Parts: sequence; C-alpha cells; structure tokens
Amino acid sequence: DGGITQSPKYLFRKEGQNVTLSCEQNLNHDAMYWYRQDPGQGLRLIYYSQIVNDFQKGDIAEGYSVSREKKESFPLTVTSAQKNPTAFYLCASTTRTGARWSANYGYTFGSGTRLTVV
Amino acid sequence: AQSVTQLDSQVPVFEEAPVELRCNYSSSVSVYLFWYVQYPNQGLQLLLKYLSGSTLVESINGFEAEFNKSQTSFHLRKPSVHISDTAEYFCAVRVKGNTPLVFGKGTRLSVIA
Repeated sequence: DGGITQSPKYLFRKEGQNVTLSCEQNLNHDAMYWYRQDPGQGLRLIYYSQIVNDFQKGDIAEGYSVSREKKESFPLTVTSAQKNPTAFYLCASTTRTGARWSANYGYTFGSGTRLTVV
Repeated sequence: AQSVTQLDSQVPVFEEAPVELRCNYSSSVSVYLFWYVQYPNQGLQLLLKYLSGSTLVESINGFEAEFNKSQTSFHLRKPSVHISDTAEYFCAVRVKGNTPLVFGKGTRLSVIA
C-alpha cells in the first residue's frame, strides 16, 4: 500500500546533539512538508519542498535543516541550534496535476516522530 | 496571508449528543478548506474538504461542514457523536496555487459515555 513512513516513532537525544528524522513516501508525490506539533499550538510549518533539490523555509525554520536528493525522501535534521526541540514532528506530501499545482488536494500525513531531548 | 481560528480548544460532549466545532478563516482570496482528524500519537487523516459548488460537504462517518463565505466560517458538525469520535480536529485553509496548508490550533473533542 502507498503511504508515508516516518521513522523512528520515538526518538530520545541528549541536548546539544543533532538528530535526523526520516520521511519516505511511495505515493509519487511531488511536494513534501515538515510540520512541528506542540500541545495547544496546532501544526507549524518548518520546511517544504516542491521539487527535488529545492526547498523553502516555513514559519519556524530556525534550528532545522532539510535535503531533497530524491523525490521519495525528505529527511529533517534538528540541530543543536534549535532551542526547544522536544515535540511531535509530522511529515506530509501532496501531488499536482501536470505542470500546475492544484490547491484542492489535501495532504497525506505520516504517523509522526516524537522527539524528546533530555 | 491566510489564517485559521478554531474558537474552542476543548469540547466535551455526551455520547449521542450533537456537536459543533467552530472554524473561522481569514483570506483576501478564494480558498479551499479542510478538516483533519488526529487520534492519539498518530498522523492526521483527511475528514472532508470544501473545494467549490455545494457549500455543505459530508464525510463517510457522519460529519458535515458548511462553508459560509459571508461569515468566513467552515464549522464542523455531527448530529450524534460516538465514543470513537474522541480525537483532535484541525481546520486548515489553502489558497489556489502551490501555497502550503495553514492549520488552526486544533479542537480536542472528548465524548463522554
């Protein structure tokens, strides 16, 4: 079955260490997104990518980095510069019709990675 | 830029009672509207969406939402809730083109037996 796989489901790291969260999709979707979820704050956009080798900052990109070397993969690195990294991280993807984006497509989400920094 | 306001952070309701989860959006252009549901420690699942046409949209599990352009609202309703509806619900908006979805802060629905 097609979908988005995020791994690991739970991740513990010591303060000051960089950590990379994996996101893989086999939906042949063009665009991929990373959101951070904190209690009572909804989902906030970190980074997104609409094409391989290109990505854009979202609302809270500071302290994070991404790469998009393959269409199906969009890993997120939480760096030591991120002041409060403990959160639930969600990856999502969507597609487009031909050469044009169509905003009427919703997103497909992965099951998330819960990162705890101690 | 568009934004979404979910007016209630928590909504407790008794089983088999009706419920309404409120959502208002702000945008200067035409939008597409979505409701997502999230069960504990899981990702989000699309519940329903408004694209165009009829302002009342329905999901397969009994939820419905009505787009009201004059009030810039997209409230979610269900006439009779079940225990299994306990979850967090997110309203989201997207304008035409390739801009990312913008989410509200969520409403936690708790159904009480």
